[in-house]
Amino acid sequence: NAGVTQTPKFRILKIGQSMTLQCAQDMNHNYMYWYRQDPGMGLKLIYYSVGAGITDKGEVPNGYNVSRSTTEDFPLRLELAAPSQTSVYFCASSPIPGLATAYNEQFFGPGTRLTVL
Amino acid sequence: QKEVEQNSGPLSVPEGAIASLNCTYSDRGSQSFFWYRQYSGKSPELIMSIYSNGDKEDGRFTAQLNKASQYVSLLIRDSQPSDSATYLCAAAGTYKYIFGTGTRLKVLA
Repeated sequence: NAGVTQTPKFRILKIGQSMTLQCAQDMNHNYMYWYRQDPGMGLKLIYYSVGAGITDKGEVPNGYNVSRSTTEDFPLRLELAAPSQTSVYFCASSPIPGLATAYNEQFFGPGTRLTVL
Repeated sequence: QKEVEQNSGPLSVPEGAIASLNCTYSDRGSQSFFWYRQYSGKSPELIMSIYSNGDKEDGRFTAQLNKASQYVSLLIRDSQPSDSATYLCAAAGTYKYIFGTGTRLKVLA
């Protein structure tokens, strides 16, 4: 299993440009998440999905959009990039988080480092 | 607002000592708790998970959970310089995970 994969690893954008960060998982997890992490800071949830066709906002959704057409893929779209979106973006997936059982942890992808100039 | 609180550190311990990392959580409905290790520039990596009150041991790591006090801890025995990283505590909610901001651990050789 590849686990959670993300592309690209690095990207530099100019202010106002748009791009899509790709995320895929091969563990058949229903739940998927997008986080951003600024230098020296914690993880902030951008969007999450509980299954194909179902998405919801996290703490910091402004300036981002998501879609979930399949169980495997959960792309994150940045429209009109701004310097404030310079960050490292992590995608993650999990089984059902609310169950008090083993093996319900989140699995993280390697991250995408985005710089907006 | 559901929260997970951690001391940001840095927590400095000498090589071979026991490192003790703590976190508290606000949501009494949380059932499962996790400790992740994150090296600088890398993604979080699961170290331990726990969902029953008491201790859970895995090698040099012991996770402790006290649901009455809403308290989770991680003990690292025989700390090594390679353990130097940021440790994130997380609580699982119904649909998502609530993360603390992390404790930076420095193991001094």
